[in-house]
Amino acid sequence: AQTVTQSQPEMSVQEAETVTLSCTYDTSESNYYLFWYKQPPSRQMILVIRQEAYKQQNATENRFSVNFQKAAKSFSLKISDSQLGDTAMYFCAFMKVPGNTGKLIFGQGTTLQVKP
Amino acid sequence: NAGVTQTPKFQVLKTGQSMTLQCAQDMNHNSMYWYRQDPGMGLRLIYYSASEGTTDKGEVPNGYNVSRLNKREFSLRLESAAPSQTSVYFCASSGQLGRRSTDTQYFGPGTRLTVL
Repeated sequence: AQTVTQSQPEMSVQEAETVTLSCTYDTSESNYYLFWYKQPPSRQMILVIRQEAYKQQNATENRFSVNFQKAAKSFSLKISDSQLGDTAMYFCAFMKVPGNTGKLIFGQGTTLQVKP
Repeated sequence: NAGVTQTPKFQVLKTGQSMTLQCAQDMNHNSMYWYRQDPGMGLRLIYYSASEGTTDKGEVPNGYNVSRLNKREFSLRLESAAPSQTSVYFCASSGQLGRRSTDTQYFGPGTRLTVL
């Protein structure tokens, strides 16, 4: 069975600085996707970034980027130039391919607070 | 384009009562999912429907039933609510997005359910 672990329950960062959230996972699958979702106080689950395991290049989306280390089974999220609106809980999630089986496995989440 | 909608947003039940949570998506997605989120935890899959006419159990199906009414709608039913089912419930969908196939799941705003 796959597991996803986020070892940082809470983190804080000053506005405009950079912060990295950690995620490790355990799987015997060779083909899978990894995701970071953001959940602000509104509770809405918002997709931040997605990484296909077969791609060596790390995904980026504006201020958000990942460091994907397949051999180490590590998938960290870097947020650059942090903004107050980034304050939220962040979830790392794993999905094996094909993805229509619904096996999206979430970590426990990291609460990020951006301070002015 | 509303994405994924859920009703109701909030609900309070007494132990033993029944209710149905409604979910609809307008993205022409094939697959739909129901998750629950308990305090301090990530989301856990209750049931999913890979395509219209099919449903399968997820990680925590006990005490729930689902119906894939058509391609757009996927409902979750609690036949006899228990306090352990107090949680936030999220519906999600995934499927073809334009010309790019994607397994990314898009979430509704959630339903906060309290069972007394």
